[in-house]
Amino acid sequence: KAGVTQTPRYLIKTRGQQVTLSCSPISGHRSVSWYQQTPGQGLQFLFEYFSETQRNKGNFPGRFSGRQFSNSRSEMNVSTLELGDSALYLCASSDPSRTSGREQYFGPGTRLTVT
Amino acid sequence: SQQGEEDPQALSIQEGENATMNCSYKTSINNLQWYRQNSGRGLVHLILIRSNEREKHSGRLRVTLDTSKKSSSLLITASRAADTASYFCATVETSGSRLTFGEGTQLTVNP
Repeated sequence: KAGVTQTPRYLIKTRGQQVTLSCSPISGHRSVSWYQQTPGQGLQFLFEYFSETQRNKGNFPGRFSGRQFSNSRSEMNVSTLELGDSALYLCASSDPSRTSGREQYFGPGTRLTVT
Repeated sequence: SQQGEEDPQALSIQEGENATMNCSYKTSINNLQWYRQNSGRGLVHLILIRSNEREKHSGRLRVTLDTSKKSSSLLITASRAADTASYFCATVETSGSRLTFGEGTQLTVNP
């Protein structure tokens, strides 16, 4: 099976702009999670989607939002970008047919730089 | 916020030596997982250990879990230069499915 893909891989934006990142999960995986990785805060959970519904949300401001489509592909959007949003954004998919606590398969990430 | 701490933050060893990394966490968990990340790229799942398990093996990897001490360790035996990467533990709480990561250990294996 093809792995998790994320587009774009690199992105440079200016403060105040908005950005949309895309994630295609492994075929058959209906759960998609997003994480932010920064040198200061490490890896932090953003949100999880399952069957087009947000199932879980991390402690991030409302500027961060996401959605999932019927084909399980997911997008996340960050509005009114701040310098602190510069990070590696990682998407992960998992197979909900497994028992809870299943492992997640990560994409290569999108490196967002806000100037 | 981070679940806990990983120890050491950085580890440098020679090829062929064993590498041990430790992870502590704070809450009750359903399972604990270890991931590897090469230089700012995606994470690769290594091994999952459930809360009712004490030890698990996968190839050159050995993971232990002590729920009474809320700690886990990852042992990589006979390390190779290709093992150079950052290693993260991540917990899944009993009531959820999200991964909560530790701070990571940067492992360098010198040839």
